[in-house]
Amino acid sequence: DAKTTQPNSMESNEEEPVHLPCNHSTISGTDYIHWYRQLPSQGPEYVIHGLTSNVNNRMASLAIAEDRKSSTLILHRATLRDAAVYYCILSNPLNTGTASKLTFGTGTRLQVTL
Amino acid sequence: DTAVSQTPKYLVTQMGNDKSIKCEQNLGHDTMYWYKQDSKKFLKIMFSYNNKELIINETVPNRFSPKSPDKAHLNLHINSLELGDSAVYFCASSQAQSGGIRGYTFGSGTRLTVV
Repeated sequence: DAKTTQPNSMESNEEEPVHLPCNHSTISGTDYIHWYRQLPSQGPEYVIHGLTSNVNNRMASLAIAEDRKSSTLILHRATLRDAAVYYCILSNPLNTGTASKLTFGTGTRLQVTL
Repeated sequence: DTAVSQTPKYLVTQMGNDKSIKCEQNLGHDTMYWYKQDSKKFLKIMFSYNNKELIINETVPNRFSPKSPDKAHLNLHINSLELGDSAVYFCASSQAQSGGIRGYTFGSGTRLTVV
């Protein structure tokens, strides 16, 4: 599986935008970029995913570099409820069987303060 | 309605005991997983079943035996529990045909403590 690199931790003030970076220099042409987050004492939850174009949903935006070697998850207005570990994961829809698993790294722990 | 439900939420047991954790999903997904999150918060896949067939078995001790009676259920049985088995165990499901693009859905976890 192609690997991703994220900062261990980031801090943000409430109501401010947060940009969470992810490097994936060995991404293949068919790898999708997924973001999941894990709130304290909960299971991971899906945030957003994309292939080449930037994506927006009610939770966040995903900005993908033109060469696809990096991406940024954007939380437009961080709240205390956004404090979580954010995981950037590559997933290939062509993978089946043993390759269909999601492989989690260490993620970025986001702290949001008042 | 809960999409992926696990029971129990907490489990405290003594070393050497045998215990089971149950998981059910009502999403119609055909692939289910067990992940383990240890004290360092690292999430690691243990098993995956697709339509009741085991497709992933990640170097897990054979004291751990998953069982999938149907594609909506994946249970985890652990024999001869050891202190190192203490962790949070997450069940998840996905739709394999879409390669997981639609996203995995995780349960809320079972915190297992072995004393």
